[in-house]
Amino acid sequence: SYELTQPPSVSVSPGQTARITCSGDALPKKYAYWYQQKSGQAPVLVIYEDSKRPSGIPERFSGSSSGTMATLTISGAQVEDEADYYCYSTDSSGNHRGVFGGGTKLTVL
Amino acid sequence: QVQLQESGPGLVKPSETLSLTCTVSGGSISSYYWSWIRQPAGKGLEWIGRIYTSGSTNYNPSLKSRVTMSVDTSKNQFSLKLSSVTAADTAVYYCARVIKSIGFGELFDYWGQGTLVTVSS
Repeated sequence: SYELTQPPSVSVSPGQTARITCSGDALPKKYAYWYQQKSGQAPVLVIYEDSKRPSGIPERFSGSSSGTMATLTISGAQVEDEADYYCYSTDSSGNHRGVFGGGTKLTVL
Repeated sequence: QVQLQESGPGLVKPSETLSLTCTVSGGSISSYYWSWIRQPAGKGLEWIGRIYTSGSTNYNPSLKSRVTMSVDTSKNQFSLKLSSVTAADTAVYYCARVIKSIGFGELFDYWGQGTLVTVSS
């Protein structure tokens, strides 16, 4: 079955740039989406279609994708950005089945 | 503002069927895809599947043999049934609205708050 691979954890100091990667074989053909989940809350979309930012999401959040890897970048990470981040995409089957990456715990301190 | 609310039993016995309903308010359920996603405590998100308002479904291959989704447009609701549950099915279950980029992906723009379902005798 299709898998998306993320690092379990990333740690940065406030003001530094955090980069979270997501690798998957179908990413050259499929968009990556990124969700932020804070403790006890439902996930929130922060990047869609590889690099687009929904309204209301701070400009410090950006995304890119090249080949089999998508990257979420948080430029000048803030303490409030500390959360779990999940990439999401669909496989290349005709049914476009969905799959989440395993999640990355971002620590900002 | 679209809102989603999951409802259903919080406790299910092993080998029985988990049944949840998601009620959509603030907008029509029609002409959208809708998904169920779950998250065991302390673990990651798992896509369970999606349903279109026509009733067309796609399921996670790992759960496909046990999952049934349905939609009731007259009630603005869609539902999840998961049969033969075990402790491994204990999780917070979320419902979400799907916006598709046809052929290239999809996003979840509105989520329910999630409901905890525990499988235990």
